[in-house]
Amino acid sequence: LAKTTQPISMDSYEGQEVNITCSHNNIATNDYITWYQQFPSQGPRFIIQGYKTKVTNEVASLFIPADRKSSTLSLPRVSLSDTAVYYCLVGDSGMIYNQGGKLIFGQGTELSVKP
Amino acid sequence: DTAVSQTPKYLVTQMGNDKSIKCEQNLGHDTMYWYKQDSKKFLKIMFSYNNKELIINETVPNRFSPKSPDKAHLNLHINSLELGDSAVYFCASSQDLAGGTSQFFGPGTRLTVL
Repeated sequence: LAKTTQPISMDSYEGQEVNITCSHNNIATNDYITWYQQFPSQGPRFIIQGYKTKVTNEVASLFIPADRKSSTLSLPRVSLSDTAVYYCLVGDSGMIYNQGGKLIFGQGTELSVKP
Repeated sequence: DTAVSQTPKYLVTQMGNDKSIKCEQNLGHDTMYWYKQDSKKFLKIMFSYNNKELIINETVPNRFSPKSPDKAHLNLHINSLELGDSAVYFCASSQDLAGGTSQFFGPGTRLTVL
């Protein structure tokens, strides 16, 4: 069961790059790594997903080392509107049906962006 | 046009009552989920349905009973509500159960049990 660990909180300033690291030492071969963003009083929103190496989209980049035991979400040039809780999720929902696998959300990292 | 919707958004009730939360998705997804988020912001999966079939049933009291009348709906019924049931409940859906599928979450239902 791939449990995840993230920093509880981080502070940053507008325009800076923010890197949030998630540890998942027991990640399984079929597990994907997914990051979600959650604003107050809203449901989590998908940001990015990867399996290995680096993935980039219009919002963020995701760096995954070769051993896949951790991953880093990188937010370029954050703004005040990036203030939110960021969750790291590790799992393979495809395994759930057959082997009772689970989708585990980390505790979340509360990012505060200041002017 | 909301992708995943939940009703009600807020629910305040007394201990011992029975209540239901409804969820609908218009994305054509096969899989739907219920999550519970407590005051410490931990998101815990409760149930998952794929094509109306129960796939995940985590360690949740049997007072909680999900019902999926069709692929687009997954309702959550809670009997004999307790104080500890107070939380925000999120419904979510995904395309299917394939590996790497991302989930779309509803706005949440804040349940307060007095």
